[in-house]
Order: sequence, then structure tokens, then C-alpha cells
Amino acid sequence: DSGVTQTPKHLITATGQRVTLRCSPRSGDLSVYWYQQSLDQGLQFLIQYYNGEERAKGNILERFSAQQFPDLHSELNLSSLELGDSALYFCASTPWDSPYEQYFGPGTRLTVT
Amino acid sequence: GESVGLHLPTLSVQEGDNSIINCAYSNSASDYFIWYKQESGKGPQFIIDIRSNMDKRQGQRVTVLLNKTVKHLSLQIAATQPGDSAVYFCAEIVTGGGNKLTFGTGTQLKVEL
Repeated sequence: DSGVTQTPKHLITATGQRVTLRCSPRSGDLSVYWYQQSLDQGLQFLIQYYNGEERAKGNILERFSAQQFPDLHSELNLSSLELGDSALYFCASTPWDSPYEQYFGPGTRLTVT
Repeated sequence: GESVGLHLPTLSVQEGDNSIINCAYSNSASDYFIWYKQESGKGPQFIIDIRSNMDKRQGQRVTVLLNKTVKHLSLQIAATQPGDSAVYFCAEIVTGGGNKLTFGTGTQLKVEL
């Protein structure tokens, strides 16, 4: 158990809908990273937050957005869902004293039908 | 179990043998590298890391070798056990650039009894 929690574990929704994925980092970790893992593109970095502020952006679609709240939990919002958005979504957090060592949560499996 | 890629290379080894998993990285500016293990249904788990100013680092039963000339990483697992069966990813980081991980495709390691 990495100490990073993600909810829900599974999510099934229809095209065009909007969903919110939630992540709680390890206690004391200020950074949260979001990744998408799909069958055809592997693990892709989406976005990073540090202490509530966006720090880095990767291959994140405009239909997707994220935020980190004062209690450091983060939410990833996916809207106008398409079939191709079906994937595993992971968040990871890093300790302040080891910023390169990312601890991953168990992931949320999103299925868009 | 879940598949994390359509065309993952597979390495099959006998229990007790040594395993060598290879990875070619893409960015010559990357200065930090990590190996992750992902078991079916779980998030990636940190195994070992290495900085670009090193060419070898050893952990418990694992050794990472870095060849910057040809941009190649390898992960050696000694005395491979059934519990080592998983997908292994290398990841590269350009430190100071938000510390986002760029993952390789992954290698499926299968340990045969």
C-alpha cells in the first residue's frame, strides 16, 4: 500500500458525460501528479500540482481539468467523454525530501460506453 | 490480469535465474531514471533509481545500469522469483522541469516454475 488513495476504483459512464476522479496523496506530500494509462499509449503524464498550484502540464486534453484543494487532495475532471478516454487513471505523490520518488495510487478504471 | 499495452515485449525466465530487462530512453537531457514494477490491477511501484552521473546502482536483488552514450538502461533482477512477475517500466525525468515522468513502453516479465 503506497498510502495514496484514489476513488472510485471503477467508473462506467456514457459518451458525452462528465466524471470526477479523486486522489488523496500520502500524508505530508505536497505534489500530486496525474497519469493516464491506455492500451495503445502506455503511461502518459497529464498534469502536476504542488501545494495547490499547477506546476507542469503534459498531454492533457482541453476537455480535462484538474485542481488541488487546500487539504491537498486533488480531483481530475473529465468532460465530453469519448470512447477513447477509457483508460486507467493514476495519481502519484512525492515527499518533499525526495521529489523524484513518486508513489502511485491504485488507479481508477474508467470505461466509456 | 490487465494488459497495459498491446505490444509489450515479454521476457520469460525460469525461477532462480537472473533477469535482464532493457530500456532505451529518448531524451538526452534526462538526468534521473527510475524503474517501476506494475502488477496486475495495481499502480506502478518504485523499485530503484539512478542519477545520470552514475553508471551503476545496486539495491536488494536488483541492479540498474545506465549507459548514457547509447541512452540505454537495464534492470537486472537476481534469483528471479514468481513474485517478480509483472510489467516493468523505465521512466526518465528532466529534473527541474516539474519532475514529470516519461515512461517507456514496458516489458512483461513472466517467471516460470
